[in-house]
Amino acid sequence: EAQVTQNPRYLITVTGKKLTVTCSQNMNHEYMSWYRQDPGLGLRQIYYSMNVEVTDKGDVPEGYKVSRKEKRNFPLILESPSPNQTSLYFCASSFGYSPLHFGNGTRLTVT
Amino acid sequence: GESVGLHLPTLSVQEGDNSIINCAYSNSASDYFIWYKQESGKGPQFIIDIRSNMDKRQGQRVTVLLNKTVKHLSLQIAATQPGDSAVYFCAENIVGNQFYFGTGTSLTVIP
Repeated sequence: EAQVTQNPRYLITVTGKKLTVTCSQNMNHEYMSWYRQDPGLGLRQIYYSMNVEVTDKGDVPEGYKVSRKEKRNFPLILESPSPNQTSLYFCASSFGYSPLHFGNGTRLTVT
Repeated sequence: GESVGLHLPTLSVQEGDNSIINCAYSNSASDYFIWYKQESGKGPQFIIDIRSNMDKRQGQRVTVLLNKTVKHLSLQIAATQPGDSAVYFCAENIVGNQFYFGTGTSLTVIP
């Protein structure tokens, strides 16, 4: 089944403790992206990657890192999480000029 | 970044009635638009898309209308069913795979 898989689905952590949210897609998509979703603000792009080893900042990149060492994986790294990064995170992928396929989300709480 | 707005944050309809969800966009260079459905606890799912060289596109029970003159997009759902209850987002694409999302309209179907 074609899908985007994020892990974990839920994560509670404390300020400053490094964490990684994994994202994997099995559709051989070149493009991958991370978004955060907050009430009243919709989906905002954090980082995106056009292909392996090619990443770029989205609209809200501060406090986040990404890497794209393989085509299928695009992990989101929070080196020192803060409470304002409490949010619902989505990974997405697409091929060419086509709709994004989204994962089911990771709900992160930073205390 | 580009903003994409929705006219109404919530919409309630009777089962069997038609639903219309609206979206305004501000960038006249946008040439590709997508509607997504997001159910509770899930990621956004693709419903239908339309490119700027069209003004109407139909799917199964859904129709998207694009009015480039007033930069307006709408999603029509025919014979709305309880399973249609969800949050609906419009997204606009300006270049490449970059999308900007509206904040969403919550559709509630009353049995």
